[in-house]
Amino acid sequence: QVKLLQSGAALVKPGASVKMSCKASGYTFTDYWVSWVKQSHGKSLEWIGEIYPNSGATNFNEKFKGKATLTVDKSTSTAYMELSRLTSEDSAIYYCTRGATGRYWGQGVMVTVSS
Amino acid sequence: DIQMTQSPASLSASLGETVTIECRASEDIYNGLAWYQQKPGKSPQLLIYNANSLHTGVPSRFSGSGSGTQYSLKINSLQSEDVASYFCQQYYNYPYTFGAGTKLELK
Repeated sequence: QVKLLQSGAALVKPGASVKMSCKASGYTFTDYWVSWVKQSHGKSLEWIGEIYPNSGATNFNEKFKGKATLTVDKSTSTAYMELSRLTSEDSAIYYCTRGATGRYWGQGVMVTVSS
Repeated sequence: DIQMTQSPASLSASLGETVTIECRASEDIYNGLAWYQQKPGKSPQLLIYNANSLHTGVPSRFSGSGSGTQYSLKINSLQSEDVASYFCQQYYNYPYTFGAGTKLELK
């Protein structure tokens, strides 16, 4: 069955970067876009962007350009998102999902930005 | 960006009741709309896509309708396991955007 397994929680200092992973299984990784979604504590959801593993093509929410970098490793069916120059506003849960309509979601990565 | 205005923000209903949640888009999204259910501490789960198509495995008491800028999610015969937050999302245009959510509780 389709699974998206995300890396573990991260505690990072302000100004630093964090890179999280999303390992896909149960389907052909290169056939579907992978999206990333932010959920701040107790709040709604924000679409960050997406990457097409086959070509590496990306689409971003303008709000997250310069903040998020999306990459993939086709050999391990893993998508990555790196967030840079972290501030307290970046503390949130980050999900990866398959496709525009999130039929499948990872379990989420809680990122805490604190000194 | 397309703004998604979701209402109500919270809702209290009794078991067996029918509830409706609405989403209004700031422009026509041509049925490019999904509904998600999220329980505390869990990832969102897809309920409805393309405005009115039921995702595999979702109980038939859930249904979606609407067109243009107005969409709704209906839950018939509310069950205790339906207590959750619900979000709409448009995927017609970039950036994909979500409604603010509706928290559904039991009365």
